Amino acid sequence: GNSVTQMEGPVTLSEEAFLTINCTYTATGYPSLFWYVQYPGEGLQLLLKATKADDKGSNKGFEATYRKETTSFHLEKGSVQVSDSAVYFCALSIGYSSASKIIFGSGTRLSIRP
Amino acid sequence: DAMVIQNPRYQVTQFGKPVTLSCSQTLNHNVMYWYQQKSSQAPKLLFHYYDKDFNNEADTPDNFQSRRPNTSFCFLDIRSPGLGDAAMYLCATSRGGLGSTYGYTFGSGTRLTVV
Repeated sequence: GNSVTQMEGPVTLSEEAFLTINCTYTATGYPSLFWYVQYPGEGLQLLLKATKADDKGSNKGFEATYRKETTSFHLEKGSVQVSDSAVYFCALSIGYSSASKIIFGSGTRLSIRP
Repeated sequence: DAMVIQNPRYQVTQFGKPVTLSCSQTLNHNVMYWYQQKSSQAPKLLFHYYDKDFNNEADTPDNFQSRRPNTSFCFLDIRSPGLGDAAMYLCATSRGGLGSTYGYTFGSGTRLTVV
């Protein structure tokens, strides 16, 4: 079946630290991969995406590379800020004839200390 | 700005009293989704509409129903809410067909409390 596994949180870092949140996936076919971010009390926002192997998605200083050989899509940021504190969800999308379905990982809570 | 709007942001309902949550979109996307998210968990897909075609997930309880009267609006009806139905309910939209290459656009969610 299709699934997403991401590192458990919470992750606590100091401001300006380097961030990595690991994500691996299992999928039949060729999924698209996403990172979503959820700020407290809000819905999910698309952070970045990659639609084929070796693609790199990037946004707001965050990056993730679609690695088909290791079935991974790890999220990285070189220097985190307090405002990055949120829950991050790795996800994959499999297209069907009618509509795609997004399958989410369990989420990783990130807290950044000033 | 084009967006997905959910009303209300917070809803309190009594145990067993029917409740309806609403979602509207200005994106003209043909697919609309309802997710349930319980505390510290991943969103769980309940069902989706592709245009007027309704698609229920196999494990979605019968207590949950949905209506989509037109492209812009979609409703989630909970016929007899139980304490276990307290959660954040998220509406999302996407373009069908090549939807797997696009992300969804989410609303801000409705937090449902059952008392």
